[in-house]
Amino acid sequence: GAVVSQHPSWVICKSGTSVKIECRSLDFQATTMFWYRQFPKQSLMLMATSNEGSKATYEQGVEKDKFLINHASLTLSTLTVTSAHPEDSSFYICSARDPGGSSYNEQFFGPGTRLTVL
Amino acid sequence: AQSVTQLGSHVSVSEGALVLLRCNYSSSVPPYLFWYVQYPNQGLQLLLKYTTGATLVKGINGFEAEFKKSETSFHLTKPSAHMSDAAEYFCAVSDPGNDMRFGAGTRLTVKP
Repeated sequence: GAVVSQHPSWVICKSGTSVKIECRSLDFQATTMFWYRQFPKQSLMLMATSNEGSKATYEQGVEKDKFLINHASLTLSTLTVTSAHPEDSSFYICSARDPGGSSYNEQFFGPGTRLTVL
Repeated sequence: AQSVTQLGSHVSVSEGALVLLRCNYSSSVPPYLFWYVQYPNQGLQLLLKYTTGATLVKGINGFEAEFKKSETSFHLTKPSAHMSDAAEYFCAVSDPGNDMRFGAGTRLTVKP
């Protein structure tokens, strides 16, 4: 149980275009999902917390107009990188918290999406 | 605020040798502690977690970790390394009402 998927697993786009990444909880309903960014050989950096039916909470320094997050249902959150530039190239990982599971703040992680902006 | 420090960004061991990955935490309340493993271009897989109860926690793939409150540590060990253990390992901490915070990660290399 507690499986999280991401789509696509990798994407290459041209500079200036927008890219949407989907994060789905497959076997549970996730009221809270998280989006992380990971640079090569570095740790995960929390970008934002996505709550179903409300606006996302962004970490300091993350541009909310550039990284649009939508959590319209209990099983789907999307991250849209708008007007992507090469510096946005990174590995993006989502996670979800299962409110019906333990209360230990455990997060279940998706497999990640590799974004390359040319 | 909660935080995690992983000592050693890179650990190299020989196959069959003991694996020891160090993690120290800071938290104002009793923490929940986690170890995750990440293989290249993949997400994070939970190895084990400490929440309450027994301080020695056993996880998957033969790994275990011991919560030591007096030392604010949660070191990860495995008696005998396998080549397949080569990966990036992350320690994480959370407490009630707070989100998870990750350490910088430790890359484990296993030499034949």
